[in-house]
Amino acid sequence: ILNVEQSPQSLHVQEGDSTNFTCSFPSSNFYALHWYRWETAKSPEALFVMTLNGDEKKKGRISATLNTKEGYSYLYIKGSQPEDSATYLCAFMSGNNRKLIWGLGTSLAVNP
Amino acid sequence: EPEVTQTPSHQVTQMGQEVILRCVPISNHLYFYWYRQILGQKVEFLVSFYNNEISEKSEIFDDQFSVERPDGSNFTLKIRSTKLEDSAMYFCASSQGAGYTFGSGTRLTVV
Repeated sequence: ILNVEQSPQSLHVQEGDSTNFTCSFPSSNFYALHWYRWETAKSPEALFVMTLNGDEKKKGRISATLNTKEGYSYLYIKGSQPEDSATYLCAFMSGNNRKLIWGLGTSLAVNP
Repeated sequence: EPEVTQTPSHQVTQMGQEVILRCVPISNHLYFYWYRQILGQKVEFLVSFYNNEISEKSEIFDDQFSVERPDGSNFTLKIRSTKLEDSAMYFCASSQGAGYTFGSGTRLTVV
């Protein structure tokens, strides 16, 4: 059974703090690892699609790393702002069929 | 930027009724998907569609569910006889390569 785990489940930080979340996924049959930012009642906002082992991607204050051999990815937010408050979801895409298998997400709340 | 559009944004239906959720994927994408999220639970894969046929479906996607691409642009999900446990956010997505584009979802409430 393919499973994607994310930790922590929720996180409360102060404005200006830097933070990171973990996504673990199956290390076999890897095709891609997706990170999404999801606010209630909106469609998921794609942050990163990562395909190569050792890949590091950056988008403003948010960055992500990927280790496909051990099956984990980290998402980092530098200098958190209240507008970063959202649920951050990772999803594993296997090579077989391109469907996404999702983690439960990390809910981030940034206090001003 | 191209978008995936879904209608309606919210649908309330009585148990046992049929519902059709509509999606317009990005025109040059080849893969189409339906996912759903029951409140408080993980996003779940329902079905993938490629080359005008279902390429994979999950255990959730039983005989009550069907998908169609009736006119080459719309991609619909039909639930024949809704149950209370079908209440969820339903997301359509299309993809080309490793990236996905999601619609904004339809919130289905079965009463």
